[in-house]
Amino acid sequence: DTGVSQDPRHKITKRGQNVTFRCDPISEHNRLYWYRQTLGQGPEFLTYFQNEAQLEKSRLLSDRFSAERPKGSFSTLEIQRTEQGDSAMYLCASSDRVGLETQYFGPGTRLLVL
Amino acid sequence: GEDVEQSLFLSVREGDSSVINCTYTDSSSTYLYWYKQEPGAGLQLLTYIFSNMDMKQDQRLTVLLNKKDKHLSLRIADTQTGDSAIYFCAESRNTDKLIFGTGTRLQVFP
Repeated sequence: DTGVSQDPRHKITKRGQNVTFRCDPISEHNRLYWYRQTLGQGPEFLTYFQNEAQLEKSRLLSDRFSAERPKGSFSTLEIQRTEQGDSAMYLCASSDRVGLETQYFGPGTRLLVL
Repeated sequence: GEDVEQSLFLSVREGDSSVINCTYTDSSSTYLYWYKQEPGAGLQLLTYIFSNMDMKQDQRLTVLLNKKDKHLSLRIADTQTGDSAIYFCAESRNTDKLIFGTGTRLQVFP
């Protein structure tokens, strides 16, 4: 098991473009979380899935953001019509519902919107 | 991180102990965590404590929890230059999402 992986690691885009990030959780982890981290701040919760069901969305997740986990394995986070304020590190984490539900984080995708 | 507070910076000499403090507000938090983040990297889980515990020791790390004051601390014994990073405390609430503090930047100098 190689841990949580995220792709791409870095993304530079122009304002108004759409971007999509992918997260592959630790295999057999049924929970998957997305967080956003801006410079100098701690991560902030965006949304999470249990298997393929999206169970909670933060008010930070505007209509331009959509997340999916179609088969209960990998997840994608899409941002439409990006704005400069979307520039941040997007972190994915996964956990196993059995026992201590510790969240293990991926390396993150750093987004820069010009 | 508006509900979880940490001091921003801590500077210690190599070999000394470091103590990083955190205060939280939600008394229903079940687990409290400490994560480490190195520049440009994701978060590495260091340790955690269940809310009904007062203390947990794990090698060089000691976690103290004062539930009455909602105060959590992380002590790193014999601090090394490789410990230089940002340390985040986080609480896990009933919905299982993590609420993070703003992070404490630890700088270790020789």
